[in-house]
Amino acid sequence: EPEVTQTPSHQVTQMGQEVILRCVPISNHLYFYWYRQILGQKVEFLVSFYNNEISEKSEIFDDQFSVERPDGSNFTLKIRSTKLEDSAMYFCASSETISAAGELFFGEGSRLTVL
Amino acid sequence: GNSVTQMEGPVTLSEEAFLTINCTYTATGYPSLFWYVQYPGEGLQLLLKATKADDKGSNKGFEATYRKETTSFHLEKGSVQVSDSAVYFCALSGTQGGSEKLVFGKGMKLTVNP
Repeated sequence: EPEVTQTPSHQVTQMGQEVILRCVPISNHLYFYWYRQILGQKVEFLVSFYNNEISEKSEIFDDQFSVERPDGSNFTLKIRSTKLEDSAMYFCASSETISAAGELFFGEGSRLTVL
Repeated sequence: GNSVTQMEGPVTLSEEAFLTINCTYTATGYPSLFWYVQYPGEGLQLLLKATKADDKGSNKGFEATYRKETTSFHLEKGSVQVSDSAVYFCALSGTQGGSEKLVFGKGMKLTVNP
């Protein structure tokens, strides 16, 4: 069964360092997403991506964050200069249609710990 | 803005017990409602959904009915199994005009003991 894969599963970094989280969405999907969950809090939407550009982003997704699809298969989330409050589980997802109508398929998540 | 409030856990039940996980929402327009489940070591996966009022979503013995009058989408299962141990997330998406993002609740961890 096709699945979304994420790497790394866990990353520990120092405050101020750049981090790249990687995702391989399901191959025939067209919409890609990043969500995050800070420990004990809700799963929050960060950004959606379609047709090689951001289609929607939340207020969390500030200038420190960026996404790209560098090679047609990977979908990456970059945090330029990590802060302590960026520590969270980051989930990548993909879908065939926009989420209002269809199902999102999520990866297992990448746990980011910022020290 | 749109929001979801769900019962917080963790909850521990014995096998064959009845399960209810409450979920209420606040939204403008007519959202679609979802329950996602995350089994240990796996990603979130769609359990069931309902796209309009009075629709009932069902899957794997779980059911939830979209109640517009009470803005609720409670998840129920008549007899839980050990394999139902997971974290359950209520979510909504899309209003008039549509939205690409899901709004989730905090999630509730369920442990079912034999």
